[in-house]
Amino acid sequence: DVKVTQSSRYLVKRTGEKVFLECVQDMDHENMFWYRQDPGLGLRLIYFSYDVKMKEKGDIPEGYSVSREKKERFSLILESASTNQTSMYLCASSLSGAQGNEQYFGPGTRLTVT
Amino acid sequence: AQTVTQSQPEMSVQEAETVTLSCTYDTSENNYYLFWYKQPPSRQMILVIRQEAYKQQNATENRFSVNFQKAAKSFSLKISDSQLGDTAMYFCAFNYYKLSFGAGTTVTVRA
Repeated sequence: DVKVTQSSRYLVKRTGEKVFLECVQDMDHENMFWYRQDPGLGLRLIYFSYDVKMKEKGDIPEGYSVSREKKERFSLILESASTNQTSMYLCASSLSGAQGNEQYFGPGTRLTVT
Repeated sequence: AQTVTQSQPEMSVQEAETVTLSCTYDTSENNYYLFWYKQPPSRQMILVIRQEAYKQQNATENRFSVNFQKAAKSFSLKISDSQLGDTAMYFCAFNYYKLSFGAGTTVTVRA
């Protein structure tokens, strides 16, 4: 079974702090994704990566950056956390090569910025 | 980003009955994939069913089936013989190089 893990289920940070969210997948997937989930808005893509050291902006990249130094790990960075970044963050991974490939999701990190 | 619309924020269904969730999308593309994902309370999101736009036959996975109307850009999900374990938020998603999600429909199955 594919397993996608995220470093924290719950996180509380203060405004202005630098925040790291970590995601690890164990199935050698090429593609990895970061989403944020907000009520009434569904999931919105922040960034994705289709290879090591590669990254592409999603629909809402402002205020975020990412890092992918190893194939299995994809990090989301909030350089200076703000209250409007309070949200649920979901990581996902998938095989490359076909648009029909399923994305496998992690359990999510609920981030609160105070 | 492609637009995916789920017009039903919440639905409630009696155990063993059938419920249908609606989804419409907007695209000018011809070949793409559509998905329904399920997010149970406090659990990970999982794939329920997928449909390739080129296939006219509607996808079916056990008690879950879709009604795909390409011209109408409609992709509804039918859950038959609802079970308590079907209680979850359901997301419709459109994939053309990246996945776009609808806002979700919360389904509650009553005993």
